[in-house]
Amino acid sequence: DGGITQSPKYLFRKEGQNVTLSCEQNLNHDAMYWYRQDPGQGLRLIYYSQIVNDFQKGDIAEGYSVSREKKESFPLTVTSAQKNPTAFYLCASSQIRGQNYEQYFGPGTRLTVT
Amino acid sequence: QKEVEQNSGPLSVPEGAIASLNCTYSDRVSQSFFWYRQYSGKSPELIMSIYSNGDKEDGRFTAQLNKASQYVSLLIRDSQPSDSATYLCAVIPGGGNKLTFGTGTQLKVEL
Repeated sequence: DGGITQSPKYLFRKEGQNVTLSCEQNLNHDAMYWYRQDPGQGLRLIYYSQIVNDFQKGDIAEGYSVSREKKESFPLTVTSAQKNPTAFYLCASSQIRGQNYEQYFGPGTRLTVT
Repeated sequence: QKEVEQNSGPLSVPEGAIASLNCTYSDRVSQSFFWYRQYSGKSPELIMSIYSNGDKEDGRFTAQLNKASQYVSLLIRDSQPSDSATYLCAVIPGGGNKLTFGTGTQLKVEL
């Protein structure tokens, strides 16, 4: 089955700890994205990558880091510098050819930091 | 002014009726528009994309785009209780390739 997987589904951490969220896709998509969703708010872009070994900050990159060592994988690290890390984290991927920028989402990781 | 605006709802419609969801955007040169459905606790699911003025139909769903008035709408015909969800409008502003999302409209289809 082609798709995007995220793990774990739920994650609990103590304040001050870094945590890494996994995102893998087998759709052969060039671009991958990380979003954060808080209750009552839209999706906000954290980081995105259009090619291996390259990535750009989104609108709310502070306190987060990413890597793109393989086309299929785009892990997100939530660092202790992120002031409000509790949220629903969504990974997405898309092609970036022509006009087709349709993004498809993974199932998400719900992170709770106490 | 927000880049993408949606009425948060909830929008309540009876089963079998047409649900009309609206979205306005601020960037006049936006080229790509998307509708996502998100069930509570789940991730967004792409249901429609539209790039040209006019209507695009897919099953019970019709997306309507009016670039001159800067709005895009989603019509759901013969609404079912399973359509109850939050519908997110997303736009790619002109010259870019990143989606900007609205905050979503909650739809409730009542028996």
